[in-house]
Amino acid sequence: DGGITQSPKYLFRKEGQNVTLSCEQNLNHDAMYWYRQDPGQGLRLIYYSQIVNDFQKGDIAEGYSVSREKKESFPLTVTSAQKNPTAFYLCASRGQGSGNTIYFGEGSWLTVV
Amino acid sequence: GQNIDQPTEMTATEGAIVQINCTYQTSGFNGLFWYQQHAGEAPTFLSYNVLDGLEEKGRFSSFLSRSKGYSYLLLKELQMKDSASYLCAVRDGGAAGNKLTFGGGTRVLVKP
Repeated sequence: DGGITQSPKYLFRKEGQNVTLSCEQNLNHDAMYWYRQDPGQGLRLIYYSQIVNDFQKGDIAEGYSVSREKKESFPLTVTSAQKNPTAFYLCASRGQGSGNTIYFGEGSWLTVV
Repeated sequence: GQNIDQPTEMTATEGAIVQINCTYQTSGFNGLFWYQQHAGEAPTFLSYNVLDGLEEKGRFSSFLSRSKGYSYLLLKELQMKDSASYLCAVRDGGAAGNKLTFGGGTRVLVKP
């Protein structure tokens, strides 16, 4: 099936640890995105990438890092510098064309313990 | 940048109509999207407007006025399963790289 796969679904992190959230898509989409959602809130953009080997900071990039070595993959690392990482993380992708919408993965829940 | 406002919560009765408004102030505009999000799940696409006017899709319609920086999502014949958050999102264009910025979402509660 075509789609966006995020893993893991649930992740617990100890304070001071880095963790990496995986995002893989087989839709042949060029653009990929990472959003963070806190309970009862909207989505905030962390990083996005329009093409392989290129990415830009979103509105809340501090404490996060990404890579885009392959078109299909856009992993997000939550570093120890992110002081309040507990949230729901959503990966998304978009194809070419001005009307093409953004499609989301199922999300990853990260909790700091 | 983008500033997107929508009401926090709305309550409506099953079978009724609800209109969710969204206003935006943008430095660039390349389309407005509406998404539905059930609690704990990913958002799902509902509608897309890039030109002024009304787009209708079954029970859901979305309207856009670019000159006013205004959109609304209209939900007709409400069903209990429509209880969810509805997210308004605006896409930048050009050098901003087609960034999609979301409003805070509107939680709609449908009561019997």
